[in-house]
Amino acid sequence: QAVLTQPSSLSASPGASATLTCTLRSDINVDTYRIYWYQQKSGSPPQFLLRYQSGSDKLQGSGVPSRFSGSKDASANAGILLISGLQSDDEADYYCMIWHSSAWVFGGGTKLTVL
Amino acid sequence: EVQVLESGGGLVQPGESLRLSCVASEVTFSSSAMNWVRQAPGKGLEWVSSISGSGGGTYYADSVKGRFTISRDNSKSTVYLQMNSLRVEDTAVYYCAKGGRLVGASHFDYWGQGIVVTVSS
Repeated sequence: QAVLTQPSSLSASPGASATLTCTLRSDINVDTYRIYWYQQKSGSPPQFLLRYQSGSDKLQGSGVPSRFSGSKDASANAGILLISGLQSDDEADYYCMIWHSSAWVFGGGTKLTVL
Repeated sequence: EVQVLESGGGLVQPGESLRLSCVASEVTFSSSAMNWVRQAPGKGLEWVSSISGSGGGTYYADSVKGRFTISRDNSKSTVYLQMNSLRVEDTAVYYCAKGGRLVGASHFDYWGQGIVVTVSS
């Protein structure tokens, strides 16, 4: 089982909200990890969006709009990236990342389509 | 403005070696961990290796451990990735990314545009 699992794709309409999940392997507890989120548009390097550990320990990337926000769902053992007020420019691949056992681990990525 | 620039990519045969370089400008280089991340064609991101600001701490993905070596020259603001015994599955775009002060404690805030490494016979 992969350390981090993300749905391969998600579609949503302009103006709507999109909830992207990053599920941690069952033997590791989401509460103990900082979840990092990156956005990658076609043909470009990834860009840091935000980091979320808790309501009091979070970091928004420089210039990243507040409509991108992070949270956790402890019951699902998952990190959440919520994008509200979807715009066509949000169409991209989104990756979560954690530091686990002295290694950075990326999720497989979610391709978000805005249509 | 911080700039990260990779070089040294190219086409090599399986079993051969290649050394990637990455220069980071306009940063306090010696205070920054540096990282290599790769992306195979049509695939997701895969972390490859990280090195602490002093160079005293190095970390590797299991897929490259024993074959790749990360190092840095703080006097040149440059980090290197020596890749030996290359395999077809190492074919990817390799990104250099600047981290925070400590490996494992901060995000990658600046990324290079990536350099292509192709391993093929």
